[in-house]
Amino acid sequence: DAGVTQSPTHLIKTRGQHVTLRCSPISGHKSVSWYQQVLGQGPQFIFQYYEKEERGRGNFPDRFSARQFPNYSSELNVNALLLGDSALYLCASSLTGGNTEAFFGQGTRLTVV
Amino acid sequence: AQSVTQLGSHVSVSEGALVLLRCNYSSSVPPYLFWYVQYPNQGLQLLLKYTSAATLVKGINGFEAEFKKSETSFHLTKPSAHMSDAAEYFCAVSEYSSASKIIFGSGTRLSIRP
Repeated sequence: DAGVTQSPTHLIKTRGQHVTLRCSPISGHKSVSWYQQVLGQGPQFIFQYYEKEERGRGNFPDRFSARQFPNYSSELNVNALLLGDSALYLCASSLTGGNTEAFFGQGTRLTVV
Repeated sequence: AQSVTQLGSHVSVSEGALVLLRCNYSSSVPPYLFWYVQYPNQGLQLLLKYTSAATLVKGINGFEAEFKKSETSFHLTKPSAHMSDAAEYFCAVSEYSSASKIIFGSGTRLSIRP
């Protein structure tokens, strides 16, 4: 069975640009969460979506947005990129919106120059 | 608000020695607690989780953790370290009423000496 898949694996962008990161959850999972992991730190929660609705939002600026599609895949969008947005972006899927186990993808490494 | 504190950003042990990674949590409600492992250039893998069923939780790869409410701790242990255990370990807490929003500690890098 395929796990959580994220694309692209690596990305280099210039300050001020926009980026879209993609995540496909495990088949049958309806909840997707996004995390930002800056080098040397633990992941920080950005968004959670369940059944295409936003269920939670972390302390991130409005430059960050996300959505979930009918097939439960998800996109994370970041506008007006800053150098500080350079990080590993992790997607996690879980079966429901409850406290079930979250399975993480391998992440997208974003570098902003 | 919930939080976790991992004591020690780097722990080094000899192969075959006891591994002890420390984690303390802060929570106003009964928490869900987790330990995740991250190998270089990879995502996170769940080692074990506490969901109030038992205070001693056994996980994968020989790891276990004990929930101690009186000490607000959830330390991770393994009796005998293997070279393959070298990785970054994260303690995490999940808000009781907030689905899948996981709050991570800052991580502890475990090194294994031959």
